[in-house]
Amino acid sequence: QQQVKQSPQSLIVQKGGISIINCAYENTAFDYFPWYQQFPGKGPALLIAIRPDVSEKKEGRFTISFNKSAKQFSLHIMDSQPGDSATYFCAASKRDDKIIFGKGTRLHILP
Amino acid sequence: DADVTQTPRNRITKTGKRIMLECSQTKGHDRMYWYRQDPGLGLQLIYYSFDVKDINKGEISDGYSVSRQAQAKFSLSLESAIPNQTALYFCATSAGRGQFFGPGTRLTVL
Repeated sequence: QQQVKQSPQSLIVQKGGISIINCAYENTAFDYFPWYQQFPGKGPALLIAIRPDVSEKKEGRFTISFNKSAKQFSLHIMDSQPGDSATYFCAASKRDDKIIFGKGTRLHILP
Repeated sequence: DADVTQTPRNRITKTGKRIMLECSQTKGHDRMYWYRQDPGLGLQLIYYSFDVKDINKGEISDGYSVSRQAQAKFSLSLESAIPNQTALYFCATSAGRGQFFGPGTRLTVL
């Protein structure tokens, strides 16, 4: 019940296309859903996050879509660029508890 | 200066050796974490601490120990290193819900 399942494991997208990464969770007590971006040789960095009281959050080309009834959320990267090539982790947490991470998606944007 | 620093950045050691990885932060956060990253396995939580007097095991604590010397310092020790502890290790801090990661330590156990 503590797991966060992430798919796909790897993804290749043409420059200018839309990258979509999906995550699913079981624990309905989770109330914070962040996405982290990790470049090779670097630590993960918080990219964008959403709380379950909204269905969508957009920051620039990055959008989180949240479906509370399905217990799913996804990251959409619009107009994907080669500089977006990185590993992306979804995560979930509840108040005053540790974060549970998905296993990551390696995204490669073809130039 | 980096907010979360880890030393060393790279370390090669031999089986059976004791090794300590150190993490320091200038963010003033109470919460600190140690993660291990292996290809395809994501980030696995080793230990976490919500304040100086609080230490909690994560999902893969066997073979590891930690020390929270101060609010700003959190060390991870491998008492007797073994080859399957070869991995990338990250320290992270948080005050609220988002976590801030250090640059990582690449550890190789021969």
